[in-house]
Amino acid sequence: QKEVEQDPGPLSVPEGAIVSLNCTYSNSAFQYFMWYRQYSRKGPELLMYTYSSGNKEDGRFTAQVDKSSKYISLFIRDSQPSDSATYLCAMSALGDSWGKFQFGAGTQVVVTP
Amino acid sequence: SAVISQKPSRDICQRGTSLTIQCQVDSQVTMMFWYRQQPGQSLTLIATANQGSEATYESGFVIDKFPISRPNLTFSTLTVSNMSPEDSSIYLCSGGLGGIYGYTFGSGTRLTVV
Repeated sequence: QKEVEQDPGPLSVPEGAIVSLNCTYSNSAFQYFMWYRQYSRKGPELLMYTYSSGNKEDGRFTAQVDKSSKYISLFIRDSQPSDSATYLCAMSALGDSWGKFQFGAGTQVVVTP
Repeated sequence: SAVISQKPSRDICQRGTSLTIQCQVDSQVTMMFWYRQQPGQSLTLIATANQGSEATYESGFVIDKFPISRPNLTFSTLTVSNMSPEDSSIYLCSGGLGGIYGYTFGSGTRLTVV
Protein backbone atom coordinates (compact mmCIF):
# COMPACT_ATOMS: atom_id res chain seq x y z
CA GLN A 1 0.00 0.00 0.00
CA LYS A 2 1.32 3.42 -0.95
CA GLU A 3 1.74 5.92 1.86
CA VAL A 4 -0.08 8.56 -0.15
CA GLU A 5 -3.03 7.80 -2.40
CA GLN A 6 -4.29 10.23 -5.01
CA ASP A 7 -6.73 9.61 -7.84
CA PRO A 8 -4.83 10.22 -11.10
CA GLY A 9 -7.95 11.43 -12.94
CA PRO A 10 -8.29 12.98 -15.43
CA LEU A 11 -10.81 15.31 -13.84
CA SER A 12 -12.66 17.40 -16.40
CA VAL A 13 -14.71 20.43 -15.33
CA PRO A 14 -16.29 23.37 -17.15
CA GLU A 15 -14.82 26.82 -16.70
CA GLY A 16 -16.13 28.50 -13.54
CA ALA A 17 -16.78 25.26 -11.68
CA ILE A 18 -15.18 24.25 -8.40
CA VAL A 19 -12.38 21.73 -8.69
CA SER A 20 -12.15 19.33 -5.77
CA LEU A 21 -8.97 17.32 -5.26
CA ASN A 22 -7.99 15.04 -2.43
CA CYS A 23 -5.37 12.71 -1.05
CA THR A 24 -5.45 10.10 1.66
CA TYR A 25 -2.45 8.91 3.62
CA SER A 26 -1.56 6.16 6.01
CA ASN A 27 1.37 7.57 8.00
CA SER A 28 0.05 9.36 11.06
CA ALA A 29 3.47 11.00 11.50
CA PHE A 30 2.89 13.29 8.53
CA GLN A 31 2.59 16.84 9.81
CA TYR A 32 3.41 19.07 6.85
CA PHE A 33 1.22 19.06 3.77
CA MET A 34 1.69 20.76 0.44
CA TRP A 35 -0.03 21.06 -2.90
CA TYR A 36 1.92 21.52 -6.10
CA ARG A 37 0.77 22.34 -9.59
CA GLN A 38 2.71 20.93 -12.52
CA TYR A 39 2.21 22.03 -16.07
CA SER A 40 3.32 19.73 -18.86
CA ARG A 41 7.10 19.65 -19.26
CA LYS A 42 7.62 21.93 -16.25
CA GLY A 43 8.76 21.40 -12.68
CA PRO A 44 6.18 21.39 -9.87
CA GLU A 45 5.16 24.80 -8.55
CA LEU A 46 4.24 25.17 -4.88
CA LEU A 47 0.63 26.29 -4.42
CA MET A 48 -0.07 25.93 -0.73
CA TYR A 49 1.29 24.36 2.42
CA THR A 50 -0.15 23.76 5.85
CA TYR A 51 1.05 22.33 9.13
CA SER A 52 -2.13 21.53 10.94
CA SER A 53 -5.70 20.41 10.60
CA GLY A 54 -8.20 22.96 9.36
CA ASN A 55 -8.59 25.22 6.39
CA LYS A 56 -6.21 27.59 4.68
CA GLU A 57 -7.30 29.95 1.96
CA ASP A 58 -5.24 31.78 -0.66
CA GLY A 59 -7.18 33.54 -3.38
CA ARG A 60 -9.16 30.96 -5.33
CA PHE A 61 -7.44 28.08 -3.54
CA THR A 62 -8.50 26.45 -0.27
CA ALA A 63 -6.57 23.64 1.37
CA GLN A 64 -8.12 21.45 4.03
CA VAL A 65 -6.43 18.96 6.31
CA ASP A 66 -8.24 16.41 8.45
CA LYS A 67 -5.59 14.53 10.39
CA SER A 68 -8.11 12.37 12.22
CA SER A 69 -9.24 10.95 8.88
CA LYS A 70 -5.79 11.21 7.24
CA TYR A 71 -7.36 13.15 4.41
CA ILE A 72 -6.38 16.38 2.68
CA SER A 73 -8.20 18.38 0.05
CA LEU A 74 -7.60 21.24 -2.35
CA PHE A 75 -10.46 23.27 -3.77
CA ILE A 76 -10.12 25.63 -6.72
CA ARG A 77 -12.96 28.12 -7.08
CA ASP A 78 -13.97 29.80 -10.32
CA SER A 79 -11.72 27.48 -12.29
CA GLN A 80 -10.04 28.79 -15.42
CA PRO A 81 -8.59 26.97 -18.45
CA SER A 82 -5.17 28.09 -17.17
CA ASP A 83 -5.78 25.86 -14.13
CA SER A 84 -5.49 22.83 -16.41
CA ALA A 85 -2.49 20.97 -15.01
CA THR A 86 -1.53 18.05 -12.81
CA TYR A 87 -1.94 18.68 -9.09
CA LEU A 88 0.30 16.82 -6.69
CA CYS A 89 -0.13 16.48 -2.97
CA ALA A 90 2.99 16.00 -0.87
CA MET A 91 3.55 15.43 2.82
CA SER A 92 6.33 15.00 5.29
CA ALA A 93 6.85 14.03 8.88
CA LEU A 94 8.98 16.16 11.17
CA GLY A 95 12.18 15.21 12.95
CA ASP A 96 14.64 13.04 11.01
CA SER A 97 12.17 12.69 8.14
CA TRP A 98 11.68 16.41 7.77
CA GLY A 99 11.79 17.44 4.11
CA LYS A 100 11.54 13.90 2.76
CA PHE A 101 8.28 14.42 1.01
CA GLN A 102 6.05 11.61 -0.12
CA PHE A 103 4.12 12.59 -3.21
CA GLY A 104 0.77 11.45 -4.46
CA ALA A 105 0.51 10.22 -8.04
CA GLY A 106 -0.96 13.55 -9.14
CA THR A 107 -4.43 14.33 -10.47
CA GLN A 108 -4.71 15.66 -14.01
CA VAL A 109 -7.25 18.48 -14.19
CA VAL A 110 -8.76 19.74 -17.42
CA VAL A 111 -10.85 22.93 -17.33
CA THR A 112 -12.84 23.33 -20.51
CA PRO A 113 -13.89 26.78 -21.79
CA SER B 1 10.69 31.57 -2.27
CA ALA B 2 14.00 30.47 -3.72
CA VAL B 3 14.38 30.30 -7.49
CA ILE B 4 16.20 27.24 -8.81
CA SER B 5 17.92 27.09 -12.18
CA GLN B 6 18.46 23.56 -13.42
CA LYS B 7 20.42 22.44 -16.43
CA PRO B 8 20.48 20.84 -18.85
CA SER B 9 16.76 20.94 -19.51
CA ARG B 10 16.97 17.83 -21.64
CA ASP B 11 19.53 15.44 -23.05
CA ILE B 12 19.74 12.29 -25.11
CA CYS B 13 22.58 10.05 -23.99
CA GLN B 14 24.16 6.81 -25.06
CA ARG B 15 23.91 3.86 -22.73
CA GLY B 16 26.97 3.35 -20.58
CA THR B 17 27.77 7.06 -20.37
CA SER B 18 27.18 9.49 -17.49
CA LEU B 19 25.34 12.79 -17.25
CA THR B 20 25.75 15.46 -14.60
CA ILE B 21 22.79 17.69 -13.79
CA GLN B 22 23.33 21.01 -12.05
CA CYS B 23 21.06 23.07 -9.83
CA GLN B 24 21.81 26.63 -8.82
CA VAL B 25 19.68 28.39 -6.19
CA ASP B 26 19.43 32.17 -6.09
CA SER B 27 19.72 32.21 -2.28
CA GLN B 28 21.14 30.05 0.46
CA VAL B 29 18.87 27.15 1.35
CA THR B 30 19.13 24.68 4.15
CA MET B 31 17.77 21.69 2.31
CA MET B 32 18.22 20.37 -1.22
CA PHE B 33 16.78 17.20 -2.64
CA TRP B 34 16.89 15.21 -5.85
CA TYR B 35 13.82 13.48 -7.27
CA ARG B 36 13.03 11.27 -10.21
CA GLN B 37 9.74 11.41 -12.07
CA GLN B 38 9.22 8.51 -14.44
CA PRO B 39 6.74 8.85 -17.29
CA GLY B 40 3.18 9.07 -16.01
CA GLN B 41 4.26 8.67 -12.41
CA SER B 42 4.76 10.88 -9.41
CA LEU B 43 7.99 12.04 -7.85
CA THR B 44 10.29 9.64 -6.07
CA LEU B 45 12.94 10.99 -3.72
CA ILE B 46 16.44 9.86 -4.71
CA ALA B 47 18.47 11.54 -1.99
CA THR B 48 18.96 14.51 0.29
CA ALA B 49 21.97 16.58 -0.74
CA ASN B 50 23.87 17.52 2.41
CA GLN B 51 26.16 20.51 2.33
CA GLY B 52 29.76 19.49 2.95
CA SER B 53 29.03 15.82 3.52
CA GLU B 54 27.83 12.72 1.74
CA ALA B 55 24.27 12.65 0.46
CA THR B 56 21.63 10.58 2.20
CA TYR B 57 20.10 8.08 -0.22
CA GLU B 58 16.62 6.57 -0.15
CA SER B 59 16.00 2.87 -0.42
CA GLY B 60 16.71 1.65 -3.94
CA PHE B 61 19.21 4.38 -4.79
CA VAL B 62 22.97 4.11 -4.32
CA ILE B 63 25.86 6.51 -4.43
CA ASP B 64 27.72 4.63 -7.15
CA LYS B 65 24.82 5.08 -9.52
CA PHE B 66 23.75 8.58 -8.45
CA PRO B 67 26.69 10.47 -6.97
CA ILE B 68 25.66 13.83 -5.58
CA SER B 69 27.68 16.84 -4.63
CA ARG B 70 26.71 19.91 -2.64
CA PRO B 71 29.76 22.10 -2.12
CA ASN B 72 27.81 25.06 -0.70
CA LEU B 73 24.32 26.22 0.25
CA THR B 74 23.34 27.33 -3.25
CA PHE B 75 24.57 24.59 -5.58
CA SER B 76 24.23 20.85 -6.09
CA THR B 77 24.86 18.29 -8.82
CA LEU B 78 23.45 14.86 -9.51
CA THR B 79 25.30 12.45 -11.80
CA VAL B 80 23.48 9.57 -13.43
CA SER B 81 26.24 7.02 -14.02
CA ASN B 82 26.59 4.14 -16.45
CA MET B 83 23.19 4.92 -17.90
CA SER B 84 20.74 2.39 -19.28
CA PRO B 85 17.38 2.99 -20.98
CA GLU B 86 15.69 2.35 -17.61
CA ASP B 87 17.23 5.63 -16.40
CA SER B 88 15.16 7.58 -18.93
CA SER B 89 13.17 9.90 -16.73
CA ILE B 90 12.76 13.46 -15.55
CA TYR B 91 15.16 14.43 -12.80
CA LEU B 92 14.26 17.33 -10.53
CA CYS B 93 16.06 19.16 -7.78
CA SER B 94 14.24 20.87 -4.96
CA GLY B 95 15.36 23.23 -2.29
CA GLY B 96 14.29 25.73 0.27
CA LEU B 97 14.22 26.80 3.86
CA GLY B 98 11.09 24.82 4.64
CA GLY B 99 8.54 26.03 7.13
CA ILE B 100 6.53 28.96 5.88
CA TYR B 101 8.94 29.32 2.96
CA GLY B 102 8.26 25.87 1.57
CA TYR B 103 10.35 24.17 -1.07
CA THR B 104 10.61 25.00 -4.75
CA PHE B 105 11.61 22.89 -7.70
CA GLY B 106 13.85 23.32 -10.67
CA SER B 107 12.24 22.96 -14.07
CA GLY B 108 13.60 19.43 -14.46
CA THR B 109 15.97 17.56 -16.75
CA ARG B 110 14.32 15.27 -19.26
CA LEU B 111 16.78 12.43 -19.85
CA THR B 112 16.48 9.89 -22.65
CA VAL B 113 18.96 7.03 -22.78
CA VAL B 114 19.31 5.24 -26.10
